[in-house]
Amino acid sequence: GQSLEQPSEVTAVEGAIVQINCTYQTSGFYGLSWYQQHDGGAPTFLSYNALDGLEETGRFSSFLSRSDSYGYLLLQELQMKDSASYFCAVRVNTGGFKTIFGAGTRLFVKA
Amino acid sequence: AAGVIQSPRHLIKEKRETATLKCYPIPRHDTVYWYQQGPGQDPQFLISFYEKMQSDKGSIPDRFSAQQFSDYHSELNMSSLELGDSALYFCASSPPLHLRELFFGEGSRLTVL
Repeated sequence: GQSLEQPSEVTAVEGAIVQINCTYQTSGFYGLSWYQQHDGGAPTFLSYNALDGLEETGRFSSFLSRSDSYGYLLLQELQMKDSASYFCAVRVNTGGFKTIFGAGTRLFVKA
Repeated sequence: AAGVIQSPRHLIKEKRETATLKCYPIPRHDTVYWYQQGPGQDPQFLISFYEKMQSDKGSIPDRFSAQQFSDYHSELNMSSLELGDSALYFCASSPPLHLRELFFGEGSRLTVL
């Protein structure tokens, strides 16, 4: 089966840096994605790592280590609007491509 | 830019009734996914279609069925509704050979009374 683990909740202050870790156990692994979801909204794509290393997109960076089945999302210069749930998700192929989501990390950004 | 369109946005049904949710993917996207998200939960993969054929199945109850039509839109049919089926149902699509990103619709909120 597929399983992902990430912290349930993280709190940080505006302007700070926060790292959300994700470990996974899966078969047919293709890559690790990160999605942001505000309350009542749809998940929106943030980043995708297929290879080991760091991907940077503005204030957000994502890292993957395939050998460790581990990745993280790094958010810099936190803003109040970053308060949301962040899901790591594995892209797998088990006969067809699908994306399996972790339980999500609720980020609270304080002033 | 066109996005994934879901309808209806809100739906209220009684127990044991039937509901149908519709999803119109972004033009030229050939893969559609359905997810169910309960309150405070992560999106749970239900089923996916590639080029109008079912490509994978997740935790979809036997009471649910889905299909993708020739115009690539998809419908999720839910019968014998239970209180536990109350959730947000998201449809997502992805373009051909695209492994990176799922494009989500705004979701259909189903409430079963």
